Amino acid sequence: KQEVTQIPAALSVPEGENLVLNCSFTDSAIYNLQWFRQDPGKGLTSLLLIQSSQREQTSGRLNASLDKSSGRSTLYIAASQPGDSATYLCAAKETSGSRLTFGEGTQLTVNP
Amino acid sequence: GAGVSQSPSNKVTEKGKDVELRCDPISGHTALYWYRQSLGQGLEFLIYFQGNSAPDKSGLPSDRFSAERTGGSVSTLTIQRTQQEDSAVYLCASSLTTGGSPLHFGNGTRLTVT
Repeated sequence: KQEVTQIPAALSVPEGENLVLNCSFTDSAIYNLQWFRQDPGKGLTSLLLIQSSQREQTSGRLNASLDKSSGRSTLYIAASQPGDSATYLCAAKETSGSRLTFGEGTQLTVNP
Repeated sequence: GAGVSQSPSNKVTEKGKDVELRCDPISGHTALYWYRQSLGQGLEFLIYFQGNSAPDKSGLPSDRFSAERTGGSVSTLTIQRTQQEDSAVYLCASSLTTGGSPLHFGNGTRLTVT
């Protein structure tokens, strides 16, 4: 059974700082890995999707990497802004037609 | 529509009553997922649809829970004889395909069982 873990559970940083969020998964035979953000009282917004054959994906100030062999993914946020404050979740998809297994998220606070 | 729509946004019900939660996915999306998020907990998978069929319903917590999808579009999650432990936010998501497409989530239905 796939298990996804996110460290740290919470993170508080000053505005402008670069930061890294970590995600680990127990079964390396994944199909893809996705990063989401969730704002309070809202659903999840997809940020980046990395296919199993890819090493990283970039969107603006966000960069996500994937190392299947070690069962790890990282989300790098450059020049953080208060608007980045949210909970960030990663999710692993095992096969093409399967569920996503989510981590419990990292709650990020960026202080002005 | 522009996104995944869920209704109602909030539902308060008495213990023992039945409830129906609705999800309108993005038009053309073939895959549809239901998840549950309890206070301070991660997302718990409930069921997944490919078209109108449910290849994976293993996450439904008991036989009080059921879901259907008609016309490859709208889905309804039904909870019979609700219990207090059913209180949670129920999230629906859809994706264009079952493979490498990102999931798009609705804002959820907050269910409170009193």
